[in-house]
Amino acid sequence: DTEVTQTPKHLVMGMTNKKSLKCEQHMGHRAMYWYKQKAKKPPELMFVYSYEKLSINESVPSRFSPECPNSSLLNLHLHALQPEDSALYLCASSQDYQNTGELFFGEGSRLTVL
Amino acid sequence: QQQVKQSPQSLIVQKGGISIINCAYENTAFDYFPWYQQFPGKGPALLIAIRPDVSEKKEGRFTISFNKSAKQFSLHIMDSQPGDSATYFCAALGYTGNQFYFGTGTSLTVIP
Repeated sequence: DTEVTQTPKHLVMGMTNKKSLKCEQHMGHRAMYWYKQKAKKPPELMFVYSYEKLSINESVPSRFSPECPNSSLLNLHLHALQPEDSALYLCASSQDYQNTGELFFGEGSRLTVL
Repeated sequence: QQQVKQSPQSLIVQKGGISIINCAYENTAFDYFPWYQQFPGKGPALLIAIRPDVSEKKEGRFTISFNKSAKQFSLHIMDSQPGDSATYFCAALGYTGNQFYFGTGTSLTVIP
């Protein structure tokens, strides 16, 4: 079983909705990541939090808003999304960002934007 | 620019056969090379990883071969089973940590 837990597993939303994806890890990791994955493609990095501070924002549109309330939790707030944003959103964690080592992924949240 | 190139894009292997997936990289600062296995509807999971100080690492039926001078590494799955059918991603990471660079993925199908 994965040690990175993501909720919800599936989400369908309209373009005017506001929703959030949640991620939790209890491995004591200090780096947490959001990735976006389209079908048959590798994960694409969106955001990195290191010690609860945003370290990397890979030029992601502002309709995606990350939040790291504490070292175990990571949220991704969604607003005014487009159909092309439909994808599998993966949360991951690692021991820390400067010495990443193994990257642990959650099972993902499958997002469909209508 | 694709930092890690992976081939083939898809692979069909008979049960009991050997599956081989290849990756190549350019950046000599990379020093950690993991392989991830992803089943449909699931997140990627670490399968096996290698650092450039060894040329081969074996874990059960899975072996990574690493050629530092050629900047290539490959995954060999011995005695392939239908349960190995999944998408495999190679990746590379630099010694300063930083982000993972994933290959484009290989969809493996093992037929009974």
